[in-house]
Amino acid sequence: KAGVTQTPRYLIKTRGQQVTLSCSPISGHRSVSWYQQTPGQGLQFLFEYFSETQRNKGNFPGRFSGRQFSNSRSEMNVSTLELGDSALYLCASSETPGASNEKLFFGSGTQLSVL
Amino acid sequence: AQSVAQPEDQVNVAEGNPLTVKCTYSVSGNPYLFWYVQYPNRGLQFLLKYITGDNLVKGSYGFEAEFNKSQTSFHLKKPSALVSDSALYFCAVRDPLYSGGGADGLTFGKGTHLIIQP
Repeated sequence: KAGVTQTPRYLIKTRGQQVTLSCSPISGHRSVSWYQQTPGQGLQFLFEYFSETQRNKGNFPGRFSGRQFSNSRSEMNVSTLELGDSALYLCASSETPGASNEKLFFGSGTQLSVL
Repeated sequence: AQSVAQPEDQVNVAEGNPLTVKCTYSVSGNPYLFWYVQYPNRGLQFLLKYITGDNLVKGSYGFEAEFNKSQTSFHLKKPSALVSDSALYFCAVRDPLYSGGGADGLTFGKGTHLIIQP
């Protein structure tokens, strides 16, 4: 089985622009979640989608949004980019959230640099 | 609410020596506990988990972790460290009675850099 695929791998944008990141989960996985990773804050949860519905949301401003398609692929969008949005954005997938034996499978991430 | 703490930003160990990466947690119910590892320029990989049962859990790459309910700890251990173990390690907790938190209800610690010196 192919792993979690995130595109693009690297992205450079300027302040004020917007960006869209893509995540394809492992085949058969219906849950996709997004994390922002920075050296100072560690992993911060953005949002989680299951069967095209947002199941959970972290404490991020409305500039951060996401969606999930019927094939479980997910996108996240950040509008009006700020310097502080520079981070590694990680996507993770799992089969069914909430099950006691579930574990997350992570992609390699998209490294976003905002200049 | 639930939380997890990794009190050490960095742990240095000589190759061949035993290693311990510390993790403490706070939940209102019985916790589900996880360890993940991140190698440079990669996503996180699952190492092991504790759900219930034996307090000593064995995982990938020779790692194990001990659940201690009275000390609310879940320290990661390995008897003999390898240089290839050098990576960033994350502890995570989920309270099955708590519907908030992160993805699948998981809350991650800030991570501990493990450096194994040859």
